[in-house]
Amino acid sequence: EAGVTQFPSHSVIEKGQTVTLRCDPISGHDNLYWYRRVMGKEIKFLLHFVKESKQDESGMPNNRFLAERTGGTYSTLKVQPAELEDSGVYFCASSQPTGTSYNEQFFGPGTRLTVL
Amino acid sequence: QKEVEQNSGPLSVPEGAIASLNCTYSDRGSQSFFWYRQYSGKSPELIMFIYSNGDKEDGRFTAQLNKASQYVSLLIRDSQPSDSATYLCAVKDYGGSQGNLIFGKGTKLSVKP
Repeated sequence: EAGVTQFPSHSVIEKGQTVTLRCDPISGHDNLYWYRRVMGKEIKFLLHFVKESKQDESGMPNNRFLAERTGGTYSTLKVQPAELEDSGVYFCASSQPTGTSYNEQFFGPGTRLTVL
Repeated sequence: QKEVEQNSGPLSVPEGAIASLNCTYSDRGSQSFFWYRQYSGKSPELIMFIYSNGDKEDGRFTAQLNKASQYVSLLIRDSQPSDSATYLCAVKDYGGSQGNLIFGKGTKLSVKP
């Protein structure tokens, strides 16, 4: 079974540019989460999709961040325009539908974003 | 602000010893606790979860939970160099979304041959 995949693995952009990160969850996983780890800090929650619906986006830093999950499959996270403080590792995680298991979250390898 | 605190380490133990990793959390209502292992540049991997007070054993790993003290720990017996990684303590936040995790900064473990 394929795990959670993320693309790209690394991205280096200049301040003011736009970047789009992609996450492909494990097939059949309705729950999809985005997290971010800024250097020296803990991994922090950004938002949670259940299928194509945003269940909770309380962790999104500001309106420069836009997440979508069209069709309830893969998800994209767009940062526009990027700022220096957006640099970090962006993780995606997915889990089975609530109630089917203890809801283990499986993490992808992350996208390392560097904003210069 | 719900927080999870861990000693960042590094924690260095000799091969074959017991490694003890500790974590405290601020939300007294927390119910579910997880330990993830993360090798450098890799994704976090779940190794243990615990919901009830007491000990839970899985192979060389034992998770311990004390809700009264808001404390969760991970013991690794017979530590191996391959156990060298960063260990992340996480608590499920039921106050927000259905199940987003609150992480500590992680403890870096180094097992010396």
